[in-house]
Amino acid sequence: NAGVTQTPKFRILKIGQSMTLQCTQDMNHNYMYWYRQDPGMGLKLIYYSVGAGITDKGEVPNGYNVSRSTTEDFPLRLELAAPSQTSVYFCASSYWDRVNEKLFFGSGTQLSVL
Amino acid sequence: GEDVEQSLFLSVREGDSSVINCTYTDSSSTYLYWYKQEPGAGLQLLTYIFSNMDMKQDQRLTVLLNKKDKHLSLRIADTQTGDSAIYFCAETIHGSSNTGKLIFGQGTTLQVKP
Repeated sequence: NAGVTQTPKFRILKIGQSMTLQCTQDMNHNYMYWYRQDPGMGLKLIYYSVGAGITDKGEVPNGYNVSRSTTEDFPLRLELAAPSQTSVYFCASSYWDRVNEKLFFGSGTQLSVL
Repeated sequence: GEDVEQSLFLSVREGDSSVINCTYTDSSSTYLYWYKQEPGAGLQLLTYIFSNMDMKQDQRLTVLLNKKDKHLSLRIADTQTGDSAIYFCAETIHGSSNTGKLIFGQGTTLQVKP
């Protein structure tokens, strides 16, 4: 079972470069999320999507863009990378059982902007 | 506002019990979660508790909720070296227009000494 797959696992960018973090899930979940995790901090929600073609901003969306053309894929785009975007990025998908939402996380992408 | 606080570090000996504490501020939270993050991996849901409960037990895990004090704890009985990880407390608001808005604490690093 693949679950939530993120690529790449590690990346170093120079200031001003752009890149796309890939995320795909094979569980047919409608909800998908991007979080960032800074050292000693909890996760902050960047963007989320409740289904193909629908995306919305989370707590810290500035400097990022997303798209959701299919149920499976939810890429996160960084334009003009800045040192403040150095972080570990987690993609997640979720489903609701009768009463509760259950998130499944990818293994993360460690990004350094120098 | 919404905020989740945890102590950053806990060290115990193998076989002892571990208690990880968390406080939250949003009294409207309906579900509270504990996630486990092993090195180099994403977060994995350990357990959760609904806000109308004050205790939930799941094998070696016991979750206690004090709604009056907005205090959540996770007790791990007979702690093993494999329990060494970062533990995140999180709250979510059911029915929020910002679907899937999980607020995470900073994480508690549990170190288990042989």
